[in-house]
Amino acid sequence: EAQVTQNPRYLITVTGKKLTVTCSQNMNHEYMSWYRQDPGLGLRQIYYSMNVEVTDKGDVPEGYKVSRKEKRNFPLILESPSPNQTSLYFCASSLPKSYNSPLHFGNGTRLTVT
Amino acid sequence: LAKTTQPISMDSYEGQEVNITCSHNNIATNDYITWYQQFPSQGPRFIIQGYKTKVTNEVASLFIPADRKSSTLSLPRVSLSDTAVYYCLVGDIPNRGSTLGRLYFGRGTQLTVWP
Repeated sequence: EAQVTQNPRYLITVTGKKLTVTCSQNMNHEYMSWYRQDPGLGLRQIYYSMNVEVTDKGDVPEGYKVSRKEKRNFPLILESPSPNQTSLYFCASSLPKSYNSPLHFGNGTRLTVT
Repeated sequence: LAKTTQPISMDSYEGQEVNITCSHNNIATNDYITWYQQFPSQGPRFIIQGYKTKVTNEVASLFIPADRKSSTLSLPRVSLSDTAVYYCLVGDIPNRGSTLGRLYFGRGTQLTVWP
């Protein structure tokens, strides 16, 4: 089954403790991206990757890092999480954006930073 | 970055047709317009995509005027299960030096369908 898998689904952590949220897709998609969703603010793009080893900032990249060492995986790294990063996070993938192809989203990761 | 503007919320009753309009004044020549539906605590899912005029699939229609500065998602005969947030999405503007990867979803439209 074609899908985007995020792990974990729920995560509670403390300020300053490094964490990684994983994202994997099995559709051989070149494009992957991360979003955060907060009440009243909709979906905001954090980072995106056009292909392996090619990443760039979205609208809200501060406090986040990403890597794209292989095509199927696009982990989101919070080196020193803070309470304002408490949010619902989504990973998505698609064929290259130049094809205007639809995004396929994961089921989300709800992160709480205390 | 091609930003979008949608109504924050809309209400409807079962069986009615619902039209949600999105404004995107800075849409680029090569951009398509894509609509997504999101249920609580789930990732958005693709509904429909178009470039100009009208597109129809089994769940919705998309109307795009000639100037492409807006688009209207039409949901025929909505049911309670259509209660969700609907996002209109256009891509980045390549000639500003950015890549094609920047995307702006905006706040979406909360559609509530009542019995």
